[in-house]
Amino acid sequence: DTGVSQDPRHKITKRGQNVTFRCDPISEHNRLYWYRQTLGQGPEFLTYFQNEAQLEKSRLLSDRFSAERPKGSFSTLEIQRTEQGDSAMYLCASSLGLDGRGNYGYTFGSGTRLTVV
Amino acid sequence: GENVEQHPSTLSVQEGDSAVIKCTYSDSASNYFPWYKQELGKRPQLIIDIRSNVGEKKDQRIAVTLNKTAKHFSLHITETQPEDSAVYFCAKKLQFGAGTQVVVTP
Repeated sequence: DTGVSQDPRHKITKRGQNVTFRCDPISEHNRLYWYRQTLGQGPEFLTYFQNEAQLEKSRLLSDRFSAERPKGSFSTLEIQRTEQGDSAMYLCASSLGLDGRGNYGYTFGSGTRLTVV
Repeated sequence: GENVEQHPSTLSVQEGDSAVIKCTYSDSASNYFPWYKQELGKRPQLIIDIRSNVGEKKDQRIAVTLNKTAKHFSLHITETQPEDSAVYFCAKKLQFGAGTQVVVTP
């Protein structure tokens, strides 16, 4: 499978627990993005990496959220002390990076649906 | 940061008619303008994109037009079919529009 893979597909957790999600991008893609989507809304930007460098993080993102991409391949997104408001679909996407022609479109994974109870 | 406004939020069309969705943006720096389609319960998928060195791009029944002066770009779907029913998102830089729910009625 050469698509973007996310694990797990679903996660139910109790409020206050920590959760970690994993994303495996398309191998040729050096950019990796995390988004959050709630019902009826567009994807909300969280953070993105170019190779292993985290280049931008949303100002809306609290310090309970952290992401890593240690070897420039897969990435993890951790949410500490989960709250009910964290319930959402967490989408990972990857793309080629900038070249002289600018940006490229995303390939999204199927997402991880988080439910905080 | 970039602000992307998308209209309308919902669009109901008769099968065979055309649908047009418009997005306006504030930052002129980026030169890449994609559109994504998200069917119910599925991931968003890139359907068409345009770079700022052209004003229009077509791919079968879908097209995207770009007006850099007015800072807007639009998605055009012609001869709509029931399978075109979905939510469509524009994007610019890292930001997505709020989405347009398109319903094609037979």
